[in-house]
Amino acid sequence: GNSVTQMEGPVTLSEEAFLTINCTYTATGYPSLFWYVQYPGEGLQLLLKATKADDKGSNKGFEATYRKETTSFHLEKGSVQVSDSAVYFCALSEKGGADGLTFGKGTHLIIQP
Amino acid sequence: EAGVAQSPRYKIIEKRQSVAFWCNPISGHATLYWYQQILGQGPKLLIQFQNNGVVDDSQLPKDRFSAERLKGVDSTLKIQPAKLEDSAVYLCASSLTGAGNQPQHFGDGTRLSIL
Repeated sequence: GNSVTQMEGPVTLSEEAFLTINCTYTATGYPSLFWYVQYPGEGLQLLLKATKADDKGSNKGFEATYRKETTSFHLEKGSVQVSDSAVYFCALSEKGGADGLTFGKGTHLIIQP
Repeated sequence: EAGVAQSPRYKIIEKRQSVAFWCNPISGHATLYWYQQILGQGPKLLIQFQNNGVVDDSQLPKDRFSAERLKGVDSTLKIQPAKLEDSAVYLCASSLTGAGNQPQHFGDGTRLSIL
């Protein structure tokens, strides 16, 4: 079956540091890949997505590139801010029909001023 | 646009009791999902509806969990009887179509505690 593995947290960084959260996946086909974020006290919301190999998703300064050869979708940001403190989930879905998301366990990111 | 609405926000019951959760998706969204999120883990899909038909319920514990979406809009998820391991947040999500490249929009969830 499908699975997503992401780095365990919490990850603690200082403001303006460079961020990488690793995510690798196992899937039978060629899935769509997503990063969802959950800010404190809020619901899950889509951060970015990529639907095919070599696509780059980007939003709010975050980027992730769909790497089929390494089955990875690492999340990066050049300069993090305190407001980026949240739990980040990597997820995949098959295309067409049954497209429920398979999530990783989540990475808690803490940004210190 | 109004988001995905869920109720109740919190529920506390004793084991072996029954409980039901309600979800109203974003208007016009054909696909509706229920997820279970146990503390410290990512959400796990329980069931997916396309309009009022079930697309995927392979991870739904059918001996105790049931769900319906009779008119293709609102949905209810029921647990009967509840077990201690059912303590979790139950999330409802909806998307425009079930094509695998559309974002899913999540509600705030129902936090269930089993005593």
